[in-house]
Order: sequence, then C-alpha cells, then structure tokens
Amino acid sequence: EVQLVESGGGLVQPGGSLRLSCAASGFTFSQFSMSWVRQAPGEGLEWVANINEDGSEKYFVDSVKGRFTVSRDNAKDSLYLQMNSLRVEDTAMYYCARGLFIFDYWGQGNLVTVSS
Amino acid sequence: IVLTQSPATLSLSPGETATLSCRASQNIKIYLAWYQQKPGQAPRLLISDASRRATGIPARFSGSGSGSDFTLTISSLEPDDFAVYYCQQRYNWPPLTFGGGTKVEIK
Repeated sequence: EVQLVESGGGLVQPGGSLRLSCAASGFTFSQFSMSWVRQAPGEGLEWVANINEDGSEKYFVDSVKGRFTVSRDNAKDSLYLQMNSLRVEDTAMYYCARGLFIFDYWGQGNLVTVSS
Repeated sequence: IVLTQSPATLSLSPGETATLSCRASQNIKIYLAWYQQKPGQAPRLLISDASRRATGIPARFSGSGSGSDFTLTISSLEPDDFAVYYCQQRYNWPPLTFGGGTKVEIK
C-alpha cells in the first residue's frame, strides 16, 4: 500500500523557516518524481514544487522561488521542502504527492501557520 | 494557464447526474486531470489526460473534452460523491495550475 506521511509543520513567525518531510512507503521511491501542493484555509489547491527521480531537476511556482527548496533522499525514501523567509500568505496545508505533473497518491497533509 | 470551473456549486440529489465544466485559457490538448476532495481529506485523483480513469475509480466517473473545454460527468450520484472537484492542467508548466473547484452538494 502506497503511503506518504508528512511531518514538520507548525506555527512560525513571519520571516522564519520550517522544513517539511514526507516519508514514502509501499513503492520504489527512487523511481518516481514527487511534488508539493498546498491549500490555504478555505481555498483551492496550488502546486508549489516538484522534483524528478534523482533530484537533478526541480521546479517552483513563482511565489516561492528563492525562498523554498525541494530535495529528496532516495536512500531514506524521503522528500523534503525547506521553507525560508516565510510569509503570512504561505499559511496552508502542505501535501506531498507522488508524480511530476499528475498526482496519483497524496499524503494526509501538514499544516503550516505563519503568524506573529 | 488559467482554468475556470463552473458552476461554483452544484446542488443535486442522489441518483442524479452531475456535469462539471473546466475551461482553459488556452489550448491544452488533452492534458487535464480531475481530483475529488472531501472535507478534511487529501485530494484523490479521478481522471488523467481528460478521460483516463485512475485505478479503482468507479465507471460512473467519466471525463471528456479536449482543447480548452472539458467536462467531468458523475452518473447516478452516490452519497459518497458529494465533495469538491478540481481540474488541473499539465500542458504548459511550470506552473502546474488548478481550477478554483466545484462543490457538489446534496440538494
């Protein structure tokens, strides 16, 4: 059974940093691209970033470029999202999802709240 | 690419057919997916490439369209189908973009 389990969210002040993790199981992690998608409270879905199988290609939505980085550790079956210079508008549920541009499995989500 | 979903809310009774629309701001060929999201849950992939049902998705869910106009049809609505539905394009990215969603609610 495919499972994606996010961790690392929480409350952070504007300008602060957080690192989200996504632990994968039930499939060969190193053979799949992965993505992060977020959803602000009461709002729709927004793609944030993705990374290919070996981590050599990464893409970001403009609003997070230069502030967020995405990485993976295939030996640990894990995906990461490092979020720096966080803004109030980054407050959202962050989902990791399997796939580069079609998301066939999703984690349960991890809430990030940016507030003073 | 901007995706516009309509209507914003669809009020229907179980057993009826739901017809959801997604319009793209430019030609995206068939590169459109549909997701279902229930309250407090992660989205679930229903349809990819306009009409390809994902693994385990019931046949009452069907997708159609190409170019800039797409439709998700849910035949004979079941109580479990009342949720929010999002379309998403992958033709021209980054960024990958989602529509604003259509809520299918019980009438």
